[in-house]
Amino acid sequence: GAVVSQHPSRVICKSGTSVKIECRSLDFQATTMFWYRQFPKKSLMLMATSNEGSKATYEQGVEKDKFLINHASLTLSTLTVTSAHPEDSSFYICSAAHPQGTEAFFGQGTRLTVV
Amino acid sequence: AQSVTQPDIHITVSEGASLELRCNYSYGATPYLFWYVQSPGQGLQLLLKYFSGDTLVQGIKGFEAEFKRSQSSFNLRKPSVHWSDAAEYFCAVGPPYNTDKLIFGTGTRLQVFP
Repeated sequence: GAVVSQHPSRVICKSGTSVKIECRSLDFQATTMFWYRQFPKKSLMLMATSNEGSKATYEQGVEKDKFLINHASLTLSTLTVTSAHPEDSSFYICSAAHPQGTEAFFGQGTRLTVV
Repeated sequence: AQSVTQPDIHITVSEGASLELRCNYSYGATPYLFWYVQSPGQGLQLLLKYFSGDTLVQGIKGFEAEFKRSQSSFNLRKPSVHWSDAAEYFCAVGPPYNTDKLIFGTGTRLQVFP
């Protein structure tokens, strides 16, 4: 199956700093990628839809200035958590829509801890 | 409103026992339906999916799911659970004919005792 790689798998940062998470589709081109956030013992909540070459579409309640999304190429989308705070600590997962299929493939997730 | 309900938060079974995880959805049309498994600290792995056709779908690791339109359900089953099946299971729905954002259920944590 198609492979989506997410990096880093774990990151610890200090409050006030910014953290960038990468999501790559390794063997296919993805015009659309999705970013989810998973709270402890909770389901995945869609944060935003990342579209190659255009602005991301954010879900209601998600601060676009805090969670910057860049989809600069057909194989890479990045999520930057700006001015991170402890409440931003979470598990972030990306997925990429396969152009020839009807499903999206998920990365392995990134555990962000803000101290 | 579109939603997915997984009524069982936590299920415990003995190894070798059968398993059924429930999933009900609310959607405007018949959606695409998915079951994913997540091991601790890991991403999501697709177990199986339903788009159309035969309402009983087979997936990986010996899992199957049955789509019942009249009940808006898509329950996941396995005849004999293995200890390695212990994980979090998520049911999800998405719009038909389109790869778009998924709506996830809250998940069911499966614990397997030897």
